[in-house]
Amino acid sequence: AQSVTQPDIHITVSEGASLELRCNYSYGATPYLFWYVQSPGQGLQLLLKYFSGDTLVQGIKGFEAEFKRSQSSFNLRKPSVHWSDAAEYFCAVGASFGNEKLTFGTGTRLTIIP
Amino acid sequence: DTAVSQTPKYLVTQMGNDKSIKCEQNLGHDTMYWYKQDSKKFLKIMFSYNNKELIINETVPNRFSPKSPDKAHLNLHINSLELGDSAVYFCASSQVPGPSTGELFFGEGSRLTVL
Repeated sequence: AQSVTQPDIHITVSEGASLELRCNYSYGATPYLFWYVQSPGQGLQLLLKYFSGDTLVQGIKGFEAEFKRSQSSFNLRKPSVHWSDAAEYFCAVGASFGNEKLTFGTGTRLTIIP
Repeated sequence: DTAVSQTPKYLVTQMGNDKSIKCEQNLGHDTMYWYKQDSKKFLKIMFSYNNKELIINETVPNRFSPKSPDKAHLNLHINSLELGDSAVYFCASSQVPGPSTGELFFGEGSRLTVL
């Protein structure tokens, strides 16, 4: 069964600073990987996804993520964060076939300080 | 126009009561889901329906019964509520089953508090 680990429960960065959120997955084949963002009181919104091809994927709101098979990682990055980026970020992994469910990590809460 | 809408947004009730949460999507998607998010923000799938048919049923107490009258609606009924049922319940939809097509569209959640 697939699993996702987000090692950082809470990260605080200054506005304008760069950001990297970590995600490690466990899956026997090539996974489908996702990052979702949850703003307070809202549902989750897809930031970006990786299915195949270029291992560096671009998403919305200036985010990008890099798939590294050798490290089983899919870290999310942003070169310069904005106060509006404060939210909960979830990494998720899905099987590359059938109706398999999407498995989410436990999330990383991002706080932005002025 | 909200793509995935859930009602009610907040629900406070006593142990032992029965309650329902409704979900509707206007995206024309075939697949709908219920997820439970606990107090630690852990998000776990409960059910998935594709075109009104149940395709995923995780290990969920049978006090939880989903119902899909048509592919645009997926309601969740909970009998004999327990304290541990307190959580935020998210409805979601996708164009086809499985994650391979990518995006899940989530509702804003229904926060259930059992006293």
